[in-house]
This record gives sequence, structure tokens and C-alpha cells, in this order.
Amino acid sequence: KNEVEQSPQNLTAQEGEFITINCSYSVGISALHWLQQHPGGGIVSLFMLSSGKKKHGRLIATINIQEKHSSLHITASHPRDSAVYICAVPTNTGNQFYFGTGTSLTVIP
Amino acid sequence: DTAVSQTPKYLVTQMGNDKSIKCEQNLGHDTMYWYKQDSKKFLKIMFSYNNKELIINETVPNRFSPKSPDKAHLNLHINSLELGDSAVYFCASSQNRDSEQYFGPGTRLTVT
Repeated sequence: KNEVEQSPQNLTAQEGEFITINCSYSVGISALHWLQQHPGGGIVSLFMLSSGKKKHGRLIATINIQEKHSSLHITASHPRDSAVYICAVPTNTGNQFYFGTGTSLTVIP
Repeated sequence: DTAVSQTPKYLVTQMGNDKSIKCEQNLGHDTMYWYKQDSKKFLKIMFSYNNKELIINETVPNRFSPKSPDKAHLNLHINSLELGDSAVYFCASSQNRDSEQYFGPGTRLTVT
């Protein structure tokens, strides 16, 4: 079993739809990262959170430390949101960093 | 100015060779990382380096060695390259281990 599990693995949505990507982890963490990898390969950090909720524009990330679960929401999805979204966690011992397998999102116009 | 830069962007080499990939960050960050992304697009941490403390992922072969001449640079040296080393290698930096990370553009290494 992977230390970090993401679902779904693949997601196709119509433009404008509300999207949710889930991440569950089994290790003790200091924070959780959501990353976006564009089709061209570049990786961008979207959020780093250790509690509660954060919002950037149409993106919202939440985390429940007790349940070891985080969600990434995209409101009013757009074709430019098409990318792979990756959940990643550094352990609270500081010596490991685990990645989910990614969720490949395609938003159709 | 690029925050985290890597050179080269593409590297094609033969098995058995020794090669290096360079990484530089101009963000004043204290922590730098090397990641490997395999053909299945799965990311895995190789090293993190913070204030001269190197943390190595135990699964990384000792043919891989990071070298940090100063806080702004973390280079990756690979000896005796193998076919399985073909991957995209990403460098990243952050203020500290619990901060947001900034990624370089990646280096696509192909070993023939």
C-alpha cells in the first residue's frame, strides 16, 4: 500500500463543472502539498497546508488531520486547468517525502 | 529571472558514462531537493539538503551523489549510468522543509 493514495486517477470534466480530487495518507505529516504538472512537464506548487482550508482564485484545498485526508477543489473548471494534480507529504520526522500517483484532469470545452 | 534553473534541459548519454546536472536557485532558500520522475510519471524524492545536512532516500543507489558548493546550488552527479536511470530529474527549493517548494523545469536524461 502506498503511503499516499489519490483518487480518481483520471478525470474528465465539462468546462464549468466543479471538480474534487482526493488524497489520503497513512504517515504522520508536517504539511501537505498540492502540485500541478502541466502537459509540458513543468511543476508548480498550488498549496501547502497543515490545517483547515486555503483558497487561491478558483482553487480550494482542505485538510483533515485527524482523518488523514485532503481534497483539492476546482470551481468553474476551464480547459487550462487540464493537468496532472499531485498530492505530496513530507513526514513529520523530516526525512521522507511521499507522492501520490497523480490525478490526470482533462477539462473539455 | 528564473527562480530555479537546471542545466542541461536534455541529456543523452551512453551507459557507463558519468554525468552531472546543475541546479541553481536565486530565491535565498535554505533547502534544496532532487526528485526523479520515471516513465510512469511517478515522482520520488532522491535527496534533500538543508544547511549542509543531507538526507538521502535510502532507495537511491550510491552512484548518485549531490554536491552543494554553496546554498544556491545543488548539483547531481551520476556515475556509471544505467538504462534505468533514464527519467526526468527535477530540482526544487524551499525556505525550509515545511515551506512551499519551487521547482526547476526538469532535465530529461536518456541513457542509451
